[in-house]
Amino acid sequence: AQSVTQLDSQVPVFEEAPVELRCNYSSSVSVYLFWYVQYPNQGLQLLLKYLSGSTLVKSINGFEAEFNKSQTSFHLRKPSVHISDTAEYFCAVSVITGANNLFFGTGTRLTVIP
Amino acid sequence: KAGVTQTPRYLIKTRGQQVTLSCSPISGHRSVSWYQQTPGQGLQFLFEYFSETQRNKGNFPGRFSGRQFSNSRSEMNVSTLELGDSALYLCASSLVGSASGANVLTFGAGSRLTVL
Repeated sequence: AQSVTQLDSQVPVFEEAPVELRCNYSSSVSVYLFWYVQYPNQGLQLLLKYLSGSTLVKSINGFEAEFNKSQTSFHLRKPSVHISDTAEYFCAVSVITGANNLFFGTGTRLTVIP
Repeated sequence: KAGVTQTPRYLIKTRGQQVTLSCSPISGHRSVSWYQQTPGQGLQFLFEYFSETQRNKGNFPGRFSGRQFSNSRSEMNVSTLELGDSALYLCASSLVGSASGANVLTFGAGSRLTVL
C-alpha cells in the first residue's frame, strides 16, 4: 500500500522568506508524485508533478520540488513567498498502474505573515 | 474551456436521508474520480469511472455509490446519511482512465455536504 506523510501541519513564514514543505512517501512500487494547492472554499489545483526524467520539477509561480528516491521524499520549496501563497498544500502519490487513485498526505497549511 | 463543474456547491441534509451529487467533467475528459475531504480523515479516494464503468473503488461502505453517463457526466449517491458523512466531496476529471499511465487530475470546487 501507499502512504504519504507531510511532517508539518502548519508552517508560518514571513513574506519574502524561503519555505520548505516536507513530504515523504512509502510505496513498494514506483509512483508518480504531485503537489496540489487548495485555497479557501475551493477545490485542489495542481501545482507540480513528477512523472519521470529530471528529478527537479518547477511550477510557473516559483515553487519547485525535488524527487529523492533514496530518501523517498518530494519536498516543496520556494525561495521567496508572497502573501498570495497562503493556502493548504497537499502532497500526493499514485502508483504507475493506477494513476487516477491518488493517496494524499494530511496537508500543510502555509501562512505567509506580512 | 470550462473546468470541472460540481453541483450543488452546498447542501444540508438530515440523518437517514440520501443525497445525489453531480459532476460535469472537462469537455473531452472521459475519466471521473470522486474524493471525500474531511478534517479528520483528510482526502480519501471514493471511486473512479471511465467509459461508464467503475474502474477503481476506495474503502467506503456500500452506501456510497456512483455512476457515469455516456456524456461522461457523473453522479455519486450517498444513502442513509450519517453525521460522519459531512464532508467536502471533490470530483476530478482526466483525459483517460487509470490504466493508461500518468494522468493529471483536474478538480472541481467541490460539494460541501452537512448532515444534521
